[in-house]
Amino acid sequence: AQSVSQHNHHVILSEAASLELGCNYSYGGTVNLFWYVQYPGQHLQLLLKYFSGDPLVKGIKGFEAEFIKSKFSFNLRKPSVQWSDTAEYFCAVTAISGGYQKVTFGTGTKLQVIP
Amino acid sequence: GAGVSQTPSNKVTEKGKYVELRCDPISGHTALYWYRQSLGQGPEFLIYFQGTGAADDSGLPNDRFFAVRPEGSVSTLKIQRTERGDSAVYLCASSSPGLTDTQYFGPGTRLTVL
Repeated sequence: AQSVSQHNHHVILSEAASLELGCNYSYGGTVNLFWYVQYPGQHLQLLLKYFSGDPLVKGIKGFEAEFIKSKFSFNLRKPSVQWSDTAEYFCAVTAISGGYQKVTFGTGTKLQVIP
Repeated sequence: GAGVSQTPSNKVTEKGKYVELRCDPISGHTALYWYRQSLGQGPEFLIYFQGTGAADDSGLPNDRFFAVRPEGSVSTLKIQRTERGDSAVYLCASSSPGLTDTQYFGPGTRLTVL
């Protein structure tokens, strides 16, 4: 079974600081990788996803993530955060099993951006 | 509808009671998933439907939990003899059945068992 580890539970940054949230997964087969975001009072939204091809994936709102297969990592980055990026971020992996996606989520990282 | 909807948004019940949580997926999405998110945790998979059938219910914690999707659209998650440990946010997601299709999540139902 696959698992996901997010290293930072709570991150506090000032506006304009750079962001990198760590994510490592364990699974021996082919995976799809995701970052979801949950803004305060809102439901989970897809930020970006990796299925195949270019390991550097660009998502919405200036976020990007890089899949490094040798490190089983899929870290999320943003060069300059804004106050509106305050949210909880979840890394997720799906292993293709039985012809469908069974998503396993990390425990989440709460990002607080201080104006 | 435009997105996945779930009702009720909040449910408070007493220990031992029966509850039903409803999910209305995006029109045309044949794949439907239920997850449970406890405080401080990420969502955990409960069950997956493809059409009307439960293709994978391996995440259901015990036999008090059951889910149906009789017409391949709306799904109901049923919890019998609720326990305080069942308190969590129950999330529903739907997608097209392709292996690269994104799951779209609903707002969740916050269940509190007193």
